[in-house]
Formats: sequence, structure tokens, C-alpha cells
Amino acid sequence: NAGVTQTPKFRILKIGQSMTLQCTQDMNHNYMYWYRQDPGMGLKLIYYSVGAGITDKGEVPNGYNVSRSTTEDFPLRLELAAPSQTSVYFCASSYGDIVRGEKLFFGSGTQLSVL
Amino acid sequence: GENVEQHPSTLSVQEGDSAVIKCTYSDSASNYFPWYKQELGKRPQLIIDIRSNVGEKKDQRIAVTLNKTAKHFSLHITETQPEDSAVYFCAAEMYSGGGADGLTFGKGTHLIIQP
Repeated sequence: NAGVTQTPKFRILKIGQSMTLQCTQDMNHNYMYWYRQDPGMGLKLIYYSVGAGITDKGEVPNGYNVSRSTTEDFPLRLELAAPSQTSVYFCASSYGDIVRGEKLFFGSGTQLSVL
Repeated sequence: GENVEQHPSTLSVQEGDSAVIKCTYSDSASNYFPWYKQELGKRPQLIIDIRSNVGEKKDQRIAVTLNKTAKHFSLHITETQPEDSAVYFCAAEMYSGGGADGLTFGKGTHLIIQP
């Protein structure tokens, strides 16, 4: 299994541009998450999904959109990039609810700079 | 929502000594508290977790303690080694509305092991 795969690893955007961060997992996990990690800070939840067709907002959803058309894929969309969105983005997944004992698996991260 | 405070932000210890990282949380409904280790440029990885039905859990040189009354939990690393150098994040369940939405992370502790 490849686990959780994120692309791209690095990206530089201009203010106002759009992009999609791709995330796919091959572990048949039901739950998927997007976190952002600002320098010197912990991870903050942007959006999460408990299954195909179901998504919900996390702590910091503004400026982002997600979709979950399949179990494997959970792309994150930035419509109008702003400097405040400069961060490292981590996709993660778990088979079930992590608070019931399921482990959280992280992707390798996407470093995004908006200039 | 849940708020997780983590201290210290930087911890430097001599190789072979013990290291203790402390976290407090605000939501008394939280029952699950994982700890993640993140090496430079790498993804966070789960190293140990604890649930509210136990007060302490050990795994070789790593232990976690939980005080639900005081709403704090701690990570203890004994006989520290150079490979323990990393950033450590504590986390707690995050609730809103009908159930747990994921994890709220602390800001991280940069652990430096001095040779």
C-alpha cells in the first residue's frame, strides 16, 4: 500500500490564482481530513469527510472547498489564493473514527506559498 | 471548541536525561489524547495515545499520563537519544454539534537532545 499520497509537494501561487491539492489513499479508509500547519504552530483542521459524498467544515474552512466523490480521493480547492494561505497542507485518513481507536495516517505534505 | 495549550515550546536536554512535555485542554468531553512526532520536513507520526479510562500508558521509553480532573496530560521520554530530536505535538478530540470532528493540536514542542 502507498498509504496517503499528496500532490504536488511544493507550489508557488500568485495572489488570486486557484489550485487543487490532490489527496488519495489506498487503504479503504472512510475518514479523510485536510489540515494546515503554519510555521511554529500545530495543525488546524480545514475540512473532513466521513465517507464518500459527505464533507464538513473544520476549524479554518474559509477560502477552501472540498469534495469526496470517491472513497479514495479528497481534493482540496483554493479558489482565490491569498498570502494568508501560505502554509504546509497535510491530508490524513483513518479507517474509522480516530477517537474510537483508529489511527490517523498523514500524507507527506504540500508546501504552498502565495506571493 | 477545544483549545489545547502545550509547553514548553522548546526543550533542550542532555542525551540520556528525561524529557517531559505538558498539555492542557479545555473541553471536558474530550476522551482521546494522542501524541505525534514530526521530524524536520516529514509528516507527523503517532507515537502514543491515551484514553480517558486510564491514567497512564507506557511504550518502552515513552509514557503518557492523563489527569482528567485537571484537564492535563503529559508525555514523558526517558533515556533520551539523538533520534528523539523532533517536534512533538499533543492533540485532543475536537467536538462540535453532534460528535467528534477530529483533533485539535497543540503548537508543538521542539525537543533538542544535546550530545
